[in-house]
Amino acid sequence: QKEVEQDPGPLSVPEGAIVSLNCTYSNSAFQYFMWYRQYSRKGPELLMYTYSSGNKEDGRFTAQVDKSSKYISLFIRDSQPSDSATYLCAMSVNSGGYQKVTFGIGTKLQVIP
Amino acid sequence: DVKVTQSSRYLVKRTGEKVFLECVQDMDHENMFWYRQDPGLGLRLIYFSYDVKMKEKGDIPEGYSVSREKKERFSLILESASTNQTSMYLCASSLRPLSSYEQYFGPGTRLTVT
Repeated sequence: QKEVEQDPGPLSVPEGAIVSLNCTYSNSAFQYFMWYRQYSRKGPELLMYTYSSGNKEDGRFTAQVDKSSKYISLFIRDSQPSDSATYLCAMSVNSGGYQKVTFGIGTKLQVIP
Repeated sequence: DVKVTQSSRYLVKRTGEKVFLECVQDMDHENMFWYRQDPGLGLRLIYFSYDVKMKEKGDIPEGYSVSREKKERFSLILESASTNQTSMYLCASSLRPLSSYEQYFGPGTRLTVT
């Protein structure tokens, strides 16, 4: 079993829809929970991160962490064609003085105009 | 803005060649990383470095080595390229080891080994 599980998709939604992207994990020691966005032929860029449990909002994006269920989500409101990209969840744990990061395989999202 | 640059966007090499991939960051970050990204496997850490001349193995170091002679530059070396090293290679940096959750990535180098 992988430490971080993420459905690769693809996920196609109409413009304006609410998008829900999810990951599950098995390591209860994870401390930071991140979402990266990767456009085609580009490197990933950090969208947002959360420390421990709870919600975090940034514009149209909301990240949720449920540590009891080992489940994290990214919600995108009023989705736009420019949101079409691959979204990677990632999680990290303190390992000998640095944060060791584990990435999901990414979910490909397409927002149809 | 942090900028991470990689020496080539596309590279084609022959089996057995020695390959150098260069990465430079301009924000005085302590940590630098090399990943490869393959469909269905995601990002896998090859090596990382938390200081000049320091290096640590990641999850898949076999067939690779690294060099960090200056803080801003981190090189990945394929000693003898093989076809199974055909992949997208991504360099990243973070400010400090304990802030590795916040990584800044370069645009990637797509390497094809024939």
